[in-house]
Amino acid sequence: DVKVTQSSRYLVKRTGEKVFLECVQDMDHENMFWYRQDPGLGLRLIYFSYDVKMKEKGDIPEGYSVSREKKERFSLILESASTNQTSMYLCASNRRANNEQFFGPGTRLTVL
Amino acid sequence: QKEVEQNSGPLSVPEGAIASLNCTYSDRGSQSFFWYRQYSGKSPELIMFIYSNGDKEDGRFTAQLNKASQYVSLLIRDSQPSDSATYLCAVNIQAGGFKTIFGAGTRLFVKA
Repeated sequence: DVKVTQSSRYLVKRTGEKVFLECVQDMDHENMFWYRQDPGLGLRLIYFSYDVKMKEKGDIPEGYSVSREKKERFSLILESASTNQTSMYLCASNRRANNEQFFGPGTRLTVL
Repeated sequence: QKEVEQNSGPLSVPEGAIASLNCTYSDRGSQSFFWYRQYSGKSPELIMFIYSNGDKEDGRFTAQLNKASQYVSLLIRDSQPSDSATYLCAVNIQAGGFKTIFGAGTRLFVKA
C-alpha cells in the first residue's frame, strides 16, 4: 500500500519560532510537493522537488524553505513562523511519468 | 481570472440522484485533468483522471472533458451519503515540467 507520511498531524508554535515539517514517501517517487490549504483558496503550491537536492519555487514560497537530502524525504521549513502561516500543510509525491499525486495526511499548524 | 474555477457549493442532492460537478480552466495548453475527493479533515485522494476529449467511466463516476470549451465535469450516479465530501478539480499544464493547478473545490452533500 502506497504511503506518504508527515511528522505531525497537529502542531502549535509561537511567532518567530523556526518550524520543521517532515514528509516521507515509500513509493520511490521522484517528485515531491508541499502545499498549504486554506478555506476558499484551495491547494496552493509552496515548493516542489523533482530530484534529490533539487528544489523549485511554487506559487507562494515566501517565508518558506525546503530541503531534500534523500529521495524519500522532503522537509518544509518555516524560518520564522508568523500568524499568517497558520494553515493545513499537505505533502504529496508522484512519479515523473504518472501525474497522479499521493497525499500525506496533512499537518494542521497553528502559529500563536 | 483564476486558472481553475469551481463552484464552491454546497451542492446538495438526494440519495440516489446524479450529482454533477463542474470545473473550468483557463490554460488551453492543459494536458491532463484530475478529480480528487477530500473528506472533512482528510487529505485529497484521486478518484478519476482524464486526458482526452469525451467521457471516461469508472463505476458510478464519469469524467467528461471538453477541451474546446475548457471544461471538465464529474458525474456521480446513484449518489450515496458516503459521497459527501469536497471534490477538487486539478489540471496539469506544461510549464517547464508539468505543473498541477487545483481548484478550490466543490462541497457535495448527499441527503439520505
